[in-house]
Amino acid sequence: AQSVTQPDIHITVSEGASLELRCNYSYGATPYLFWYVQSPGQGLQLLLKYFSGDTLVQGIKGFEAEFKRSQSSFNLRKPSVHWSDAAEYFCAVQGGNKLVFGAGTILRVKS
Amino acid sequence: DAMVIQNPRYQVTQFGKPVTLSCSQTLNHNVMYWYQQKSSQAPKLLFHYYDKDFNNEADTPDNFQSRRPNTSFCFLDIRSPGLGDAAMYLCATADPRQLKTQYFGPGTRLLVL
Repeated sequence: AQSVTQPDIHITVSEGASLELRCNYSYGATPYLFWYVQSPGQGLQLLLKYFSGDTLVQGIKGFEAEFKRSQSSFNLRKPSVHWSDAAEYFCAVQGGNKLVFGAGTILRVKS
Repeated sequence: DAMVIQNPRYQVTQFGKPVTLSCSQTLNHNVMYWYQQKSSQAPKLLFHYYDKDFNNEADTPDNFQSRRPNTSFCFLDIRSPGLGDAAMYLCATADPRQLKTQYFGPGTRLLVL
């Protein structure tokens, strides 16, 4: 069965600093991978997705993620964080008709 | 804009009093999902519809039911809410022809008194 691990429960970065959120997955076939962001009291917004092809995918809000099959990873990056990026971030892998989510990483941005 | 809409955004109910949450979509997707998300946890899939075919997760309590009268609407019924059912309930849709990307609504926050 597929699974997703987000090793960092909380991350704090300074505004303007770079960001990397880690995600490792377990899946037997070629994975469909997603990053979602959730602001407090809101639903999940899709940031980006990977299905095939170029392993570096660009998303909304200046985010990008890189798929590394050899490391079973799909880490999310942003070169310069803005205070409005403070939220919870979920990595997910698609198996059949279902999404399996990681536990989430809460991003705090300090000024 | 095409979207997923959930009503109400906040729902307060009493212990044991049935409650219905609603989800509608203008995306014309044939797959719809209901998730439960408790505080500081990842969303947990309750069930999903592929067209009219209902798929229940094995660990979804019988207290949770769903109806999908047409492509656009899907309802979550909680027959006898308990205090442990207080959570955010998220609806999502997907189109398998678009490689199954799920699009989420804003959620309904349920409070049980």
